[in-house]
Amino acid sequence: KNQVEQSPQSLIILEGKNCTLQCNYTVSPFSNLRWYKQDTGRGPVSLTIMTFSENTKSNGRYTATLDADTKQSSLHITASQLSDSASYICVVSGVDSSYKLIFGSGTRLLVRP
Amino acid sequence: NAGVTQTPKFRVLKTGQSMTLLCAQDMNHEYMYWYRQDPGMGLRLIHYSVGEGTTAKGEVPDGYNVSRLKKQNFLLGLESAAPSQTSVYFCASSYSLRGLSGANVLTFGAGSRLTVL
Repeated sequence: KNQVEQSPQSLIILEGKNCTLQCNYTVSPFSNLRWYKQDTGRGPVSLTIMTFSENTKSNGRYTATLDADTKQSSLHITASQLSDSASYICVVSGVDSSYKLIFGSGTRLLVRP
Repeated sequence: NAGVTQTPKFRVLKTGQSMTLLCAQDMNHEYMYWYRQDPGMGLRLIHYSVGEGTTAKGEVPDGYNVSRLKKQNFLLGLESAAPSQTSVYFCASSYSLRGLSGANVLTFGAGSRLTVL
């Protein structure tokens, strides 16, 4: 069964610190992996999208990595800000079924001053 | 830029009542989707549409119906609401399903919180 598992479920860090969120998936064959940010009471917003041939992609202070061999991805947030407090969702798409996006349950990040 | 607009934002229903959630997008996207989000679970696809006049079932379609009479609108209907349908519903749209052109990046609405008593 295609699955996307994220860890940790929740995380609290101090403003200015870095953190890394993990995503493991079993979707095969794999097409691409996305990270979304979801603020409380809002819809998810795309941060990055990576194909199997990409190892790293950055979007400002957000850097996503992908290891297609081990089926693992991480999202690294540098110099966290209070506005980074949100849920971060890993989403994986398989080949030939692009509409069947498999969503992880997300990591809830709280950045404290 | 309005993007994807969902109405209503909140609704409380009694078991057995019916209602319709409206999704409107102004980006000329071909594809539209309805998801539900429940605590501790990832978003699950209810129904989707690949163009005006077309609809298809997703992962959890039972108890829901949809219509796409106009390209910009995608309606989600509950004919007889049940407490199990208490959830936050998200509409999304995208340019394409396949390939990396636009990479099938979904633009989501702000969500509609539905409570069924």
